Amino acid sequence: KNQVEQSPQSLIILEGKNCTLQCNYTVSPFSNLRWYKQDTGRGPVSLTIMTFSENTKSNGRYTATLDADTKQSSLHITASQLSDSASYICVVSEKDYKLSFGAGTTVTVRA
Amino acid sequence: NAGVTQTPKFRILKIGQSMTLQCTQDMNHNYMYWYRQDPGMGLKLIYYSVGAGITDKGEVPNGYNVSRSTTEDFPLRLELAAPSQTSVYFCAIKPGGAEGGYTFGSGTRLTVV
Repeated sequence: KNQVEQSPQSLIILEGKNCTLQCNYTVSPFSNLRWYKQDTGRGPVSLTIMTFSENTKSNGRYTATLDADTKQSSLHITASQLSDSASYICVVSEKDYKLSFGAGTTVTVRA
Repeated sequence: NAGVTQTPKFRILKIGQSMTLQCTQDMNHNYMYWYRQDPGMGLKLIYYSVGAGITDKGEVPNGYNVSRSTTEDFPLRLELAAPSQTSVYFCAIKPGGAEGGYTFGSGTRLTVV
């Protein structure tokens, strides 16, 4: 069964610090990998999307990396802000309509 | 341009009751999806549609039904609500193409008691 596993489950960081979230997947065949940010009580919002040929993709203070050989991805948040407090979800696409969602990493940024 | 609108935002149902979760989009996307999100779990696909008149089962379709009579609307029907259907439901849309971005609604929080 295709799976997407994220770590850590949750983390707390101080405002201004950096953090890195991990995503390991077994989805095959692989089409693309997306990172979403989900604020409490809201739907997920796309941060980045990468195909197998892309190693890194940035969106402001968010930088995603992908190693398609080891089936690992990471999301790095630079200079965290209070508004970064959210759940970050790794989503791997097998086909156009078939997505596998990770359970998410809950990030709490404290002043 | 509201994107994806879901109603209601919250609902409490008694076991055995029925209800329809509404999803409407104004982006003219062909692909529409219904997901449920349970605590500590990734989103699970219930049903999806690739265009008006076409629907198909996802990973967890039991206990649900959908219809897609128009491009804009994709309602999700629960006929006999069960406690296991307590969850947060998200509707999502997507244009064609493998890399098209998904747009999610704000969700419906359903509790079955």
